[in-house]
Amino acid sequence: NAGVTQTPKFRVLKTGQSMTLLCAQDMNHEYMYWYRQDPGMGLRLIHYSVGEGTTAKGEVPDGYNVSRLKKQNFLLGLESAAPSQTSVYFCASSYRNEQFFGPGTRLTVL
Amino acid sequence: AQSVAQPEDQVNVAEGNPLTVKCTYSVSGNPYLFWYVQYPNRGLQFLLKYITGDNLVKGSYGFEAEFNKSQTSFHLKKPSALVSDSALYFCAVRGETGANNLFFGTGTRLTVIP
Repeated sequence: NAGVTQTPKFRVLKTGQSMTLLCAQDMNHEYMYWYRQDPGMGLRLIHYSVGEGTTAKGEVPDGYNVSRLKKQNFLLGLESAAPSQTSVYFCASSYRNEQFFGPGTRLTVL
Repeated sequence: AQSVAQPEDQVNVAEGNPLTVKCTYSVSGNPYLFWYVQYPNRGLQFLLKYITGDNLVKGSYGFEAEFNKSQTSFHLKKPSALVSDSALYFCAVRGETGANNLFFGTGTRLTVIP
């Protein structure tokens, strides 16, 4: 099992550009999450999904959109990137109160 | 609303000495508490969790945590620190929405000095 994988690992964007981060899990988990990690702030929840076709907002959803068309994939989109979205993004899936994290995507917005 | 506090940004300990990384929490109802570790340029790895039962929880790599309901604390401990334990440690509490999402503390950087 690959667990939780994220694509890409690194990305540099210019302000106003768009991109999509892909998260995939092969553990058949229903719940999936997107977090961002910023220095001194821990991880904060952006959006989450409790099953295929469902999504919900977390603590910091502004500027992001998500989709869960397939159970194994959870996409995070930035329609118009801003420097404030420079961060490390982590995807996770959960089963029985335990979360499994991907390796992260480091995004820089210039 | 739920929250987690890690009062120490940095903890230094000599190799072989016991270590403690502090965490306090606030949540309605019974808390579900977690510790994760992050090594440089890596994702978070699960260490241990408290759901119910014994207040002393044992986890991976020789770590344990003590749940104290009256002090609303969940401190991470290890009897004898290793240099390889040097990493960033996060305490987390399960959210109240029923979606199993986690609220994290700001993290504590542990440095074990040889």
